[in-house]
Amino acid sequence: TQLLEQSPQFLSIQEGENLTVYCNSSSVFSSLQWYRQEPGEGPVLLVTVVTGGEVKKLKRLTFQFGDARKDSSLHITAAQPGDTGLYLCAGSVTGNQFYFGTGTSLTVIP
Amino acid sequence: NAGVTQTPKFQVLKTGQSMTLQCAQDMNHEYMSWYRQDPGMGLRLIHYSVGAGITDQGEVPNGYNVSRSTTEDFPLRLLSAAPSQTSVYFCASSYRAQGIYEQYFGPGTRLTVT
Repeated sequence: TQLLEQSPQFLSIQEGENLTVYCNSSSVFSSLQWYRQEPGEGPVLLVTVVTGGEVKKLKRLTFQFGDARKDSSLHITAAQPGDTGLYLCAGSVTGNQFYFGTGTSLTVIP
Repeated sequence: NAGVTQTPKFQVLKTGQSMTLQCAQDMNHEYMSWYRQDPGMGLRLIHYSVGAGITDQGEVPNGYNVSRSTTEDFPLRLLSAAPSQTSVYFCASSYRAQGIYEQYFGPGTRLTVT
C-alpha cells in the first residue's frame, strides 16, 4: 500500500493570505490528482499531474509534481472563503487505482 | 445527466444485519469503484470494476461484496455489519482520457452500525 501523507492536517487563514499544502510519499506515482471536498459531498477532481516537475495552474491554484514523482504541492494565492474545504491528494501507480492522502482541512476566514 | 447517484443517503444498522448500498451512473463509464472515508484516514478503496462482469478487490475488501451486471450499476453489499464498518461510503465512476482516469464521485452514504 502506498502511503500518502498530507500536511498540514488543518489550516485556518484569513482571506487574502497565501498558503501551501503538501502531499508526500516514499512511493513513485505515474500520476497524482488533487481533489476538493465540501461537507456532505463527494470529492471533486481539480487537476491531474503526470510528469515529474510539472506545474499546472487553475486560476489562483498552482499544482506542482515533484521531480521524482513522489510528492506534490498545492499553492493557493489570495485565498477566498469559497476555497474552504478538504483538499485531498491521490496517487496512482497503475493508472486506474488511486491511493488517497489523509487530507488537509482548509478554513478561510472572511 | 445525473452523474453518479447513491442511495440511501443515511443508514443505521444493527450489528449482524446485511444491506446493499446502491450506486448508479449515467455517463457510460467502464470503471467504477467503492471507497470508504474515515476521519484521519482519507479514502480507502474497497472494490473496483473495470467493466460489466469484472470486479476486483481494493485495499480494504473484507466484509464487503460487489457485482457488476450492467455498466450503469455497481452495488456494494455488507454481509454482516460490524461497528468497524461505520463510515461514509463513496462510489465513483471513471473514464480514461489520454491514459489518465478521471474520477467522478457520488454524494456518499453515511452508515452507522450500532
